[in-house]
Amino acid sequence: GAGVSQSPSNKVTEKGKDVELRCDPISGHTALYWYRQRLGQGLEFLIYFQGNSAPDKSGLPSDRFSAERTGESVSTLTIQRTQQEDSAVYLCASSFSRSSGNTIYFGEGSWLTVV
Amino acid sequence: TQLLEQSPQFLSIQEGENLTVYCNSSSVFSSLQWYRQEPGEGPVLLVTVVTGGEVKKLKRLTFQFGDARKDSSLHITAAQPGDTGLYLCAGQAGGTSYGKLTFGQGTILTVHP
Repeated sequence: GAGVSQSPSNKVTEKGKDVELRCDPISGHTALYWYRQRLGQGLEFLIYFQGNSAPDKSGLPSDRFSAERTGESVSTLTIQRTQQEDSAVYLCASSFSRSSGNTIYFGEGSWLTVV
Repeated sequence: TQLLEQSPQFLSIQEGENLTVYCNSSSVFSSLQWYRQEPGEGPVLLVTVVTGGEVKKLKRLTFQFGDARKDSSLHITAAQPGDTGLYLCAGQAGGTSYGKLTFGQGTILTVHP
């Protein structure tokens, strides 16, 4: 596709259940990012993948959060035993490389509501 | 931990007025970006500033990066209702931290016709 694709666009889940959010980056983009955005606020960095390098997981808020990326393609963000404070928009972004001249493109996000 | 303080958080103005949004930090950034976000969509990059003291213009929008690369401002001249949205600044530390953008809290701008 032309842009960063995320699914599902909306997810309502019960507290304690696990959820998986998927991101399909722009073809050819080696860098992939996950951010979290609470309502009306700025974005919170979660994790960053760059090619075959070890991911930067320093933003993951707890061990209930994990993410994987297969090569330079799809990434999955998993939240285990969801809590109400996990409710937010989870945004994925990609860029051509980690070079400073490359624009980061965001997807439309996955709205997660934990009830 | 790098922090970006963005102000004001809310701005409600009439069409034709001018406005400025500020982004301040005690940390130095290798670059600073401004994004605009519409409801239900992801942020869209407006501009990247890299050099201390740099000024970039995008039609009625003027972006400035502070000399010390710790702060930035976005000035909109003669605001239009179409400028309504959430404006976000984001700093990039560079080096091994590249890619980990630090975002400000955002400014919700409403321009009334």
